[in-house]
Amino acid sequence: KNEVEQSPQNLTAQEGEFITINCSYSVGISALHWLQQHPGGGIVSLFMLSSGKKKHGRLIATINIQEKHSSLHITASHPRDSAVYICAVLIFGNEKLTFGTGTRLTIIP
Amino acid sequence: KAGVTQTPRYLIKTRGQQVTLSCSPISGHRSVSWYQQTPGQGLQFLFEYFSETQRNKGNFPGRFSGRQFSNSRSEMNVSTLELGDSALYLCASSRITGGGGTDTQYFGPGTRLTVL
Repeated sequence: KNEVEQSPQNLTAQEGEFITINCSYSVGISALHWLQQHPGGGIVSLFMLSSGKKKHGRLIATINIQEKHSSLHITASHPRDSAVYICAVLIFGNEKLTFGTGTRLTIIP
Repeated sequence: KAGVTQTPRYLIKTRGQQVTLSCSPISGHRSVSWYQQTPGQGLQFLFEYFSETQRNKGNFPGRFSGRQFSNSRSEMNVSTLELGDSALYLCASSRITGGGGTDTQYFGPGTRLTVL
């Protein structure tokens, strides 16, 4: 079983819809990252969280340490948000990022 | 500020050869982490260098090695290439060490390696 699970694997939505991508992990962590990867491979770091909630523009990331769960929300989605979103965690005592398998998001105009 | 650069962007090699990839971090960043991305395994941590020292290593065979220079530029080397080494190799830099997890990571565009 993977230590980091993301859902859904694929998500297609209409422009303007509210998007939620989930990340669950089974181990104790010291930090969780949300990354965005566009076609062609470039990765952008969106958020680094250890507790609570962070917001940047139309993107919101939350984490619940007790429930070992994080969500990435996109408000007023736009076709340019189409990308793969990857959750990664830093496991306690193991200074190596462990990655989820990603969620492929497609926003249709 | 210039971003993370990786060279070359594309590389084709044959089995048994060796390859060296280069990564130049953002100015002032002392940590460089390397990752391998394949369709089957996804993203996996290779190793991290900080101040010219390897701080952490992922679960890869000894054929995968790296180093960091005094200007923080890093290279990774793969010897005796196998077909399964075909992947996108990404490096990322950050200000501080911690396996790439304790500080915002800035990723380079990647080097796509094809092994024939």
